[in-house]
Amino acid sequence: NAGVTQTPKFRVLKTGQSMTLLCAQDMNHEYMYWYRQDPGMGLRLIHYSVGEGTTAKGEVPDGYNVSRLKKQNFLLGLESAAPSQTSVYFCASKGDPDTQYFGPGTRLTVL
Amino acid sequence: KNEVEQSPQNLTAQEGEFITINCSYSVGISALHWLQQHPGGGIVSLFMLSSGKKKHGRLIATINIQEKHSSLHITASHPRDSAVYICAISLGSIGKSTFGDGTTLTVKP
Repeated sequence: NAGVTQTPKFRVLKTGQSMTLLCAQDMNHEYMYWYRQDPGMGLRLIHYSVGEGTTAKGEVPDGYNVSRLKKQNFLLGLESAAPSQTSVYFCASKGDPDTQYFGPGTRLTVL
Repeated sequence: KNEVEQSPQNLTAQEGEFITINCSYSVGISALHWLQQHPGGGIVSLFMLSSGKKKHGRLIATINIQEKHSSLHITASHPRDSAVYICAISLGSIGKSTFGDGTTLTVKP
């Protein structure tokens, strides 16, 4: 079992560029989440999904879009990157019981 | 005011010391989680609590639902325990969580 994997691990973008972060889990979990982590702040929920084909907004959804076309994958898209989106992004999945499994993170810098 | 408050923000201890990290929250919860984040960045779930006390090796987590308070204890601390410890609360079955800002623990040999 690989658990939760994220691609890529690092990325540098210029303002206005777009990119997609991929999260994959092999635990057959229904729930998946995208968070961002900024210095001095706790993890904040961007979007989440309660099952294949569903997505919902979290605490800080502006500037991001997501898709869950397959149960094992949860994609996070940035259509027009801004410097304020420089952050470390974590994906997580949750099965039953209520424990979240985190990916290794993606460090994104927007210049 | 954050729904989840951790204290202390930073903690330095000598190897072998008993360590306590506190977490207070202000809303009703379905569960409380303690997470560990090492300098490399990976986040690992240590405990999930809805009542009482749990123990895993040298780590002990307790929760008092009435007082909306949880503690994470580390007995016989070791330098490899150096990490950021994060408290998080879950507010329902969906698993949406609110996270504290974390406590940075440094254990010196």
